[in-house]
Amino acid sequence: DAGVTQSPTHLIKTRGQHVTLRCSPISGHKSVSWYQQVLGQGPQFIFQYYEKEERGRGNFPDRFSARQFPNYSSELNVNALLLGDSALYLCASSFRQGANQPQHFGDGTRLSIL
Amino acid sequence: AQRVTQPEKLLSVFKGAPVELKCNYSYSGSPELFWYVQYSRQRLQLLLRHISRESIKGFTADLNKGETSFHLKKPFAQEEDSAMYYCALSGMDSNYQLIWGAGTKLIIKP
Repeated sequence: DAGVTQSPTHLIKTRGQHVTLRCSPISGHKSVSWYQQVLGQGPQFIFQYYEKEERGRGNFPDRFSARQFPNYSSELNVNALLLGDSALYLCASSFRQGANQPQHFGDGTRLSIL
Repeated sequence: AQRVTQPEKLLSVFKGAPVELKCNYSYSGSPELFWYVQYSRQRLQLLLRHISRESIKGFTADLNKGETSFHLKKPFAQEEDSAMYYCALSGMDSNYQLIWGAGTKLIIKP
């Protein structure tokens, strides 16, 4: 198993555009969480999905949305991009829902907004 | 407000010396505390969690509710311990989200 895979690895967008980031969890894992990590800071929780339903949402504006598919893969969508959205976006999967479950991370997508 | 504070951005110690990475938290309920580690060119991964009461790679961490701390300790540092270490908290009051500290970069000098 390749572990959690994220695509793309890098992305450059301009302000106002929208972006879709993708994540495939470890086989058998039903929960996917998304985090934003700005340089020099720890990850910030955005969403958690379990069994295709949103189970948790962090303090992010409505421009951020996500969904989980029947095969448990997930997409994170960000609309109306701002310069401040430039960050590393991490996806993590776990077998069960809940942040107290061991989280298995992908390598992240580096998003740069010009 | 729920918060995790790692007061040291950078910690540098010599090989064989003891290591203590500090983590303090602010949380009104009963938290679960975790240490995650990211080695160079590797993914972020769970190192240990307080409820397991394990020693992983020689590291231990004890939850001190009185001092609201969860410091990570190792008696004798090894060069392969050089990495970025993050303390994180989860609990009912945080809607079970993981709240992270800013991280401490640990450098082990030969």
